[in-house]
Amino acid sequence: GQQLNQSPQSMFIQEGEDVSMNCTSSSIFNTWLWYKQDPGEGPVLLIALYKAGELTSNGRLTAQFGITRKDSFLNISASIPSDVGIYFCAGLTTDSWGKFQFGAGTQVVVTP
Amino acid sequence: NAGVTQTPKFQVLKTGQSMTLQCAQDMNHEYMSWYRQDPGMGLRLIHYSVGAGITDQGEVPNGYNVSRSTTEDFPLRLLSAAPSQTSVYFCASSPDGQVYGYTFGSGTRLTVV
Repeated sequence: GQQLNQSPQSMFIQEGEDVSMNCTSSSIFNTWLWYKQDPGEGPVLLIALYKAGELTSNGRLTAQFGITRKDSFLNISASIPSDVGIYFCAGLTTDSWGKFQFGAGTQVVVTP
Repeated sequence: NAGVTQTPKFQVLKTGQSMTLQCAQDMNHEYMSWYRQDPGMGLRLIHYSVGAGITDQGEVPNGYNVSRSTTEDFPLRLLSAAPSQTSVYFCASSPDGQVYGYTFGSGTRLTVV
């Protein structure tokens, strides 16, 4: 079954606020990915992480690979209306090459 | 360069019918996967392939078959549709299954009545 716990499930925020979400696992991962899904579309890759402690940014998005290798975090700074969507974490363990596991997603709603 | 193309976009099936969801990629990616997306469940892996002629089961393979005769195509077959297979299905491809992650198609929304 699914090993990734993603939280929060949903967030209602005002434009300009910062957003934080995280994923935790019972397994050790060697790769963490963060995706965004717009309504009616497939997920699109935002950030990829490959080493424990790694901190990577993509514009207003910053993600970190947890030191324990069992968690990852995504922050969105100064949210704007187009940040609306579902954000997914995905992880890859050392013995499951190519078989990414996905979290249940965080629904972000931005109000003006 | 179309990326990952899925057809059809929408489909309604009656219980017991069979059908094939098509997936094609033009990026010469070796890895391809099928996921289903259900509310509150995220994306669950159905089947995946690491190259032409090689497939393996994912987390929820029951009721689905796949084959990979070419690098480009990875069709998903529903053998006898059931209401529990009502879902949004995504096909995805990757050059290496890790470093670059997966590129997703736009999905097929399937309803089984």
